[in-house]
Parts: sequence; C-alpha cells; structure tokens
Amino acid sequence: RKEVEQDPGPFNVPEGATVAFNCTYSNSASQSFFWYRQDCRKEPKLLMSVYSSGNEDGRFTAQLNRASQYISLLIRDSKLSDSATYLCVVIKINDYKLSFGAGTTVTVRA
Amino acid sequence: DTGVSQDPRHKITKRGQNVTFRCDPISEHNRLYWYRQTLGQGPEFLTYFQNEAQLEKSRLLSDRFSAERPKGSFSTLEIQRTEQGDSAMYLCASSLGSGGEYEQYFGPGTRLTVT
Repeated sequence: RKEVEQDPGPFNVPEGATVAFNCTYSNSASQSFFWYRQDCRKEPKLLMSVYSSGNEDGRFTAQLNRASQYISLLIRDSKLSDSATYLCVVIKINDYKLSFGAGTTVTVRA
Repeated sequence: DTGVSQDPRHKITKRGQNVTFRCDPISEHNRLYWYRQTLGQGPEFLTYFQNEAQLEKSRLLSDRFSAERPKGSFSTLEIQRTEQGDSAMYLCASSLGSGGEYEQYFGPGTRLTVT
C-alpha cells in the first residue's frame, strides 16, 4: 500500500464552484501535513500546511482527521487559475523527507 | 531571483552515458534534498544533505547514482550508465532546517530523457 494515496481526478468544475478532495495516509506516525500545488511541468510549491484544528487560507480550507488518517482540501469560488495538480504531503515524526501522493488534478473551466 | 536554481533544465542522453546535474540552493539554507518525479506520480525522495554531509540515501538511489555537496553550498547529482528507466524530472529542494516546520523550496527541476 502506498504511504499517501489520492484520488487522481480529474475534477472538472466550472468557475465559482466548490471542489473538495481527500488524501489518505497509511503511517500513523505521520506528524506534519501539507498541500502542495504543482502546475504543468513546473515545480511543486507549498499551498498550505494542515493543522489538527483545520485551517483556512482565503478560499482554501484544509482539514485533518487523525483517527481516520485522512486530509482534505476544499476550494471555494474556484478560479481559472486554480487549475493545477494538488499534491498531498506528509512527514513522519522526527523525519524530514516529504512523502507525496500522486496528486489530484483540478481543471476549472470558464 | 534568489530561489533554488537547477542546471540544466533539460537533458537528453543516450542509454549508457553519464550525466550530471547541478543544484544551487537558497543561500542561507543548509539542508538540501533531491527528489525524482515520473509522469503521473508525486516526487520521491532520493537523498538529503545537511551542510556537506549526506545523511540519508533512499533505496531508489542505486549504485549508479552519486550525489555530492562538497562545500555545503551547491550540490551535484551524477547518474552513471544511464538507463531508460532513469527518465524523470529530478527536483532539488532546500530548507533552513529539517522537520515539518521548515518549508522545502523546490527548484524548477532537470528533465532527463534517456533514449
């Protein structure tokens, strides 16, 4: 079983819609959680960290469920510029290696 | 631009040839990482440096791969006797510290194609 699994999508949504997707992780020793964004043929960039209490950054909301070992990302009021691959990332306790999921592709259409 | 830089951005080589990639991290970052990404997958960890010391190598890093960071600044990744399976995007990242509280900043990557 892969350490981090994501629904690959693609999620094809109209502008202004809300889109949400999950990521599951297998190692209960995972301590830190992130969402990275990767545009086509570009490097990954940190979108947001995910905290136990859940957190928002503008139109983006991230949730962590440690009991069920999943992380979610919700995008409200989708913009064309939100079209990208969203990578779920975990780090185990006392570690530094980023463990990436394969990514969820989101396409926002006009 | 003071971000992570990588050179070359693209490399096409024939099977069996040796290739070397360079990464220049953000200047004050003493942690440096190499990852590899194949199509449709997320990046996978290859190796990690703290200053000039290589502290961890993934099992993905076969004997044909070697990485160095001689003065604790830039790093090189060499692949000897390249194989078609080595075709991938090689990403370098750097951070100010290790652990989840320190963001890893990625360079633009070197895309390797082995023919």
